[in-house]
Amino acid sequence: NAGVTQTPKFQVLKTGQSMTLQCAQDMNHNSMYWYRQDPGMGLRLIYYSASEGTTDKGEVPNGYNVSRLNKREFSLRLESAAPSQTSVYFCASTTGGGDQPQHFGDGTRLSIL
Amino acid sequence: GENVEQHPSTLSVQEGDSAVIKCTYSDSASNYFPWYKQELGKRPQLIIDIRSNVGEKKDQRIAVTLNKTAKHFSLHITETQPEDSAVYFCAASKGTGRRALTFGSGTRLQVQP
Repeated sequence: NAGVTQTPKFQVLKTGQSMTLQCAQDMNHNSMYWYRQDPGMGLRLIYYSASEGTTDKGEVPNGYNVSRLNKREFSLRLESAAPSQTSVYFCASTTGGGDQPQHFGDGTRLSIL
Repeated sequence: GENVEQHPSTLSVQEGDSAVIKCTYSDSASNYFPWYKQELGKRPQLIIDIRSNVGEKKDQRIAVTLNKTAKHFSLHITETQPEDSAVYFCAASKGTGRRALTFGSGTRLQVQP
Protein backbone atom coordinates (compact mmCIF):
# COMPACT_ATOMS: atom_id res chain seq x y z
CA ASN A 1 0.00 0.00 0.00
CA ALA A 2 1.84 3.11 -1.27
CA GLY A 3 -0.36 5.73 0.43
CA VAL A 4 0.30 9.17 -1.06
CA THR A 5 2.83 9.29 -3.90
CA GLN A 6 4.38 12.53 -5.18
CA THR A 7 6.48 13.04 -8.28
CA PRO A 8 9.05 14.32 -8.86
CA LYS A 9 11.00 14.26 -5.58
CA PHE A 10 13.38 17.03 -6.65
CA GLN A 11 13.25 19.65 -9.38
CA VAL A 12 15.25 22.72 -10.38
CA LEU A 13 13.60 25.29 -12.62
CA LYS A 14 14.55 28.59 -14.13
CA THR A 15 12.44 31.66 -13.52
CA GLY A 16 9.52 31.73 -15.93
CA GLN A 17 9.44 27.99 -16.61
CA SER A 18 6.32 25.98 -15.95
CA MET A 19 5.85 22.57 -14.42
CA THR A 20 3.27 20.28 -12.86
CA LEU A 21 3.67 18.45 -9.57
CA GLN A 22 1.84 15.16 -9.47
CA CYS A 23 0.11 13.53 -6.51
CA ALA A 24 -1.77 10.25 -6.34
CA GLN A 25 -3.32 8.35 -3.43
CA ASP A 26 -4.49 4.77 -3.30
CA MET A 27 -6.51 4.95 -0.06
CA ASN A 28 -9.84 5.86 -1.72
CA HIS A 29 -9.76 9.21 0.05
CA ASN A 30 -12.21 11.93 -0.93
CA SER A 31 -10.24 15.03 0.03
CA MET A 32 -6.80 16.06 -1.17
CA TYR A 33 -4.57 19.02 -0.33
CA TRP A 34 -1.46 20.86 -1.47
CA TYR A 35 0.77 22.57 1.10
CA ARG A 36 4.07 24.41 0.86
CA GLN A 37 6.67 24.41 3.61
CA ASP A 38 9.30 27.13 3.79
CA PRO A 39 12.34 26.95 6.09
CA GLY A 40 11.45 27.45 9.74
CA MET A 41 7.74 27.63 9.02
CA GLY A 42 4.74 25.42 9.26
CA LEU A 43 2.84 24.12 6.29
CA ARG A 44 0.62 26.57 4.46
CA LEU A 45 -2.36 25.49 2.39
CA ILE A 46 -2.19 26.32 -1.32
CA TYR A 47 -5.28 24.59 -2.70
CA TYR A 48 -7.53 21.77 -1.67
CA SER A 49 -10.14 19.51 -3.18
CA ALA A 50 -12.90 18.42 -0.82
CA SER A 51 -14.17 15.85 -3.32
CA GLU A 52 -13.71 14.80 -6.91
CA GLY A 53 -14.70 17.62 -9.22
CA THR A 54 -14.23 20.46 -6.71
CA THR A 55 -11.24 22.65 -5.88
CA ASP A 56 -10.87 25.65 -3.59
CA LYS A 57 -8.18 28.19 -2.75
CA GLY A 58 -6.22 28.01 0.46
CA GLU A 59 -4.06 30.61 2.19
CA VAL A 60 -1.43 31.10 -0.55
CA PRO A 61 -2.96 30.27 -3.98
CA ASN A 62 -1.35 33.03 -6.08
CA GLY A 63 0.86 31.68 -8.87
CA TYR A 64 -0.60 28.17 -8.73
CA ASN A 65 -3.37 26.19 -10.38
CA VAL A 66 -4.69 22.74 -9.56
CA SER A 67 -6.57 19.93 -11.25
CA ARG A 68 -8.45 17.12 -9.54
CA LEU A 69 -8.08 14.69 -12.42
CA ASN A 70 -10.05 11.90 -10.75
CA LYS A 71 -10.54 10.59 -7.22
CA ARG A 72 -6.92 9.39 -7.00
CA GLU A 73 -4.99 12.26 -8.55
CA PHE A 74 -4.55 15.94 -7.66
CA SER A 75 -1.94 17.97 -9.56
CA LEU A 76 -0.39 21.37 -8.84
CA ARG A 77 0.81 23.56 -11.68
CA LEU A 78 3.20 26.49 -11.64
CA GLU A 79 2.55 28.44 -14.85
CA SER A 80 5.49 30.86 -14.60
CA ALA A 81 7.83 29.90 -11.78
CA ALA A 82 9.29 32.62 -9.54
CA PRO A 83 12.14 32.37 -6.98
CA SER A 84 9.58 33.01 -4.22
CA GLN A 85 8.06 29.63 -5.06
CA THR A 86 11.21 27.80 -3.99
CA SER A 87 9.89 25.51 -1.30
CA VAL A 88 9.04 21.95 -0.32
CA TYR A 89 5.60 20.96 -1.56
CA PHE A 90 3.54 18.34 0.25
CA CYS A 91 0.41 16.63 -0.95
CA ALA A 92 -1.99 15.12 1.59
CA SER A 93 -5.26 13.23 1.57
CA THR A 94 -8.00 12.30 4.01
CA THR A 95 -11.21 10.29 4.02
CA GLY A 96 -13.56 13.20 4.59
CA GLY A 97 -13.48 16.74 5.78
CA GLY A 98 -11.12 18.80 7.90
CA ASP A 99 -11.72 16.82 11.08
CA GLN A 100 -10.05 13.64 9.86
CA PRO A 101 -6.37 12.63 9.94
CA GLN A 102 -4.39 13.70 6.90
CA HIS A 103 -1.79 11.44 5.30
CA PHE A 104 1.17 13.14 3.64
CA GLY A 105 3.36 12.27 0.71
CA ASP A 106 7.17 12.48 0.83
CA GLY A 107 7.25 15.95 -0.68
CA THR A 108 8.72 17.62 -3.77
CA ARG A 109 11.75 19.82 -3.20
CA LEU A 110 11.54 22.61 -5.77
CA SER A 111 14.25 25.20 -6.42
CA ILE A 112 13.70 28.10 -8.79
CA LEU A 113 16.76 29.98 -9.97
CA GLY B 1 -9.72 32.46 9.20
CA GLU B 2 -8.07 30.23 11.75
CA ASN B 3 -4.74 31.25 13.31
CA VAL B 4 -2.58 28.81 15.28
CA GLU B 5 0.31 29.98 17.44
CA GLN B 6 2.88 27.51 18.77
CA HIS B 7 5.47 27.86 21.55
CA PRO B 8 8.33 27.45 22.10
CA SER B 9 10.06 27.51 18.73
CA THR B 10 12.97 25.47 20.11
CA LEU B 11 13.16 23.18 23.11
CA SER B 12 16.16 21.32 24.48
CA VAL B 13 15.76 18.68 27.18
CA GLN B 14 17.88 15.97 28.76
CA GLU B 15 17.09 12.37 27.94
CA GLY B 16 14.48 11.11 30.37
CA ASP B 17 12.99 14.52 31.05
CA SER B 18 9.52 15.63 29.94
CA ALA B 19 8.80 18.06 27.12
CA VAL B 20 5.72 20.25 26.72
CA ILE B 21 4.71 22.16 23.59
CA LYS B 22 1.78 24.57 23.65
CA CYS B 23 -0.55 25.87 20.94
CA THR B 24 -3.39 28.36 20.88
CA TYR B 25 -6.06 28.70 18.20
CA SER B 26 -8.42 31.51 17.29
CA ASP B 27 -11.51 29.92 15.72
CA SER B 28 -13.85 28.58 18.40
CA ALA B 29 -15.50 26.38 15.74
CA SER B 30 -12.32 24.30 15.31
CA ASN B 31 -12.92 20.79 16.58
CA TYR B 32 -9.94 18.68 15.49
CA PHE B 33 -6.39 19.10 16.77
CA PRO B 34 -3.65 16.81 15.44
CA TRP B 35 0.06 16.80 16.23
CA TYR B 36 2.64 15.91 13.61
CA LYS B 37 6.29 14.92 13.98
CA GLN B 38 8.65 15.75 11.14
CA GLU B 39 12.18 14.42 10.98
CA LEU B 40 14.73 16.19 8.80
CA GLY B 41 13.91 15.75 5.13
CA LYS B 42 10.89 13.57 5.82
CA ARG B 43 7.12 13.90 5.60
CA PRO B 44 5.03 15.07 8.57
CA GLN B 45 3.69 12.05 10.43
CA LEU B 46 0.65 12.08 12.67
CA ILE B 47 1.56 11.10 16.23
CA ILE B 48 -1.63 11.88 18.13
CA ASP B 49 -4.86 13.83 17.66
CA ILE B 50 -7.76 14.99 19.79
CA ARG B 51 -11.28 16.12 19.09
CA SER B 52 -13.16 18.84 20.92
CA ASN B 53 -15.42 16.43 22.81
CA VAL B 54 -12.39 15.06 24.69
CA GLY B 55 -10.16 16.87 27.20
CA GLU B 56 -7.16 14.56 27.21
CA LYS B 57 -5.78 11.65 25.22
CA LYS B 58 -2.76 9.43 25.88
CA ASP B 59 -0.72 7.06 23.77
CA GLN B 60 2.19 5.51 25.68
CA ARG B 61 4.68 8.36 26.33
CA ILE B 62 2.66 10.96 24.45
CA ALA B 63 -0.39 12.86 25.68
CA VAL B 64 -2.41 15.79 24.40
CA THR B 65 -4.64 18.06 26.47
CA LEU B 66 -7.30 20.45 25.20
CA ASN B 67 -8.85 23.46 26.94
CA LYS B 68 -11.72 24.62 24.73
CA THR B 69 -12.58 27.58 26.93
CA ALA B 70 -9.09 29.01 26.70
CA LYS B 71 -8.65 27.75 23.13
CA HIS B 72 -5.33 26.06 23.74
CA PHE B 73 -3.95 22.55 23.50
CA SER B 74 -0.65 21.02 24.51
CA LEU B 75 1.57 18.07 23.65
CA HIS B 76 3.31 16.26 26.51
CA ILE B 77 6.15 13.81 25.92
CA THR B 78 7.41 11.92 28.96
CA GLU B 79 10.66 9.98 29.38
CA THR B 80 12.12 11.62 26.27
CA GLN B 81 14.57 9.67 24.12
CA PRO B 82 17.09 10.87 21.51
CA GLU B 83 14.82 9.52 18.75
CA ASP B 84 12.15 12.00 19.86
CA SER B 85 14.37 14.77 18.42
CA ALA B 86 12.44 16.31 15.52
CA VAL B 87 10.21 19.25 14.62
CA TYR B 88 6.70 19.00 16.03
CA PHE B 89 3.72 20.82 14.51
CA CYS B 90 0.31 21.40 15.99
CA ALA B 91 -2.68 22.06 13.77
CA ALA B 92 -6.37 22.86 13.99
CA SER B 93 -9.33 22.37 11.69
CA LYS B 94 -13.08 22.01 11.60
CA GLY B 95 -15.48 19.83 9.68
CA THR B 96 -17.25 22.68 7.89
CA GLY B 97 -16.23 25.55 5.64
CA ARG B 98 -12.59 25.37 4.64
CA ARG B 99 -12.04 21.82 5.76
CA ALA B 100 -8.27 21.94 5.93
CA LEU B 101 -5.60 22.08 8.60
CA THR B 102 -4.04 25.33 9.80
CA PHE B 103 -0.58 24.59 11.16
CA GLY B 104 1.48 26.20 13.89
CA SER B 105 5.02 27.31 13.03
CA GLY B 106 6.67 24.27 14.64
CA THR B 107 8.85 23.42 17.65
CA ARG B 108 12.32 21.97 17.18
CA LEU B 109 12.84 19.48 20.02
CA GLN B 110 16.37 18.39 20.82
CA VAL B 111 16.82 15.55 23.30
CA GLN B 112 20.35 15.51 24.69
CA PRO B 113 21.72 12.04 25.53
